[in-house]
Amino acid sequence: GAVVSQHPSWVICKSGTSVKIECRSLDFQATTMFWYRQFPKQSLMLMATSNEGSKATYEQGVEKDKFLINHASLTLSTLTVTSAHPEDSSFYICSARGATEGTDTQYFGPGTRLTVL
Amino acid sequence: AQSVAQPEDQVNVAEGNPLTVKCTYSVSGNPYLFWYVQYPNRGLQFLLKYITGDNLVKGSYGFEAEFNKSQTSFHLKKPSALVSDSALYFCAVRDTGGGKLIFGQGTELSVKP
Repeated sequence: GAVVSQHPSWVICKSGTSVKIECRSLDFQATTMFWYRQFPKQSLMLMATSNEGSKATYEQGVEKDKFLINHASLTLSTLTVTSAHPEDSSFYICSARGATEGTDTQYFGPGTRLTVL
Repeated sequence: AQSVAQPEDQVNVAEGNPLTVKCTYSVSGNPYLFWYVQYPNRGLQFLLKYITGDNLVKGSYGFEAEFNKSQTSFHLKKPSALVSDSALYFCAVRDTGGGKLIFGQGTELSVKP
């Protein structure tokens, strides 16, 4: 149980284009989803927290117009990197927290490697 | 402010030996503590958590962790390390405000045959 998927697992795009990453909770309903960014050999940096049906809460320093987050259902959240630039290249990881037993545990997706050329 | 510290960037252990990955925390109130493992180019896998109850928590893959309130520590342990345990390990505490996780900087565990 508690499986979270991400799609795509990797993506290469040209500078200036937009990229959408999906995060799905496959066997539970996720009232809250989180988006992280991770640089090589470093810890995870929380970008934003999203609750189903409401606007995401962004961490300080994260541009909400650049990193658009949508949490339209209890099983799906999307992160869109708009007008991507090479400095946006990173490993993006989502996590989900359920609405029932074990709600204190976040379950993580496998991550998406974004490379912007 | 709440925080988590993993004092060792890297831990090296011989296969079959016991391993310990250290974690200390600073929170107000009762801590919710977690350990996750990350293999290269993958997301984080949940190992175990401490919310309340027994100080010794048993988790996945033979790992366990001991909650020590007086020392504000939550060290991850395994009696006999495997080469396949080699990975990046993260300790985390749940923020009492918004519920987000605060991660330590990670410890790279290397288990040699």
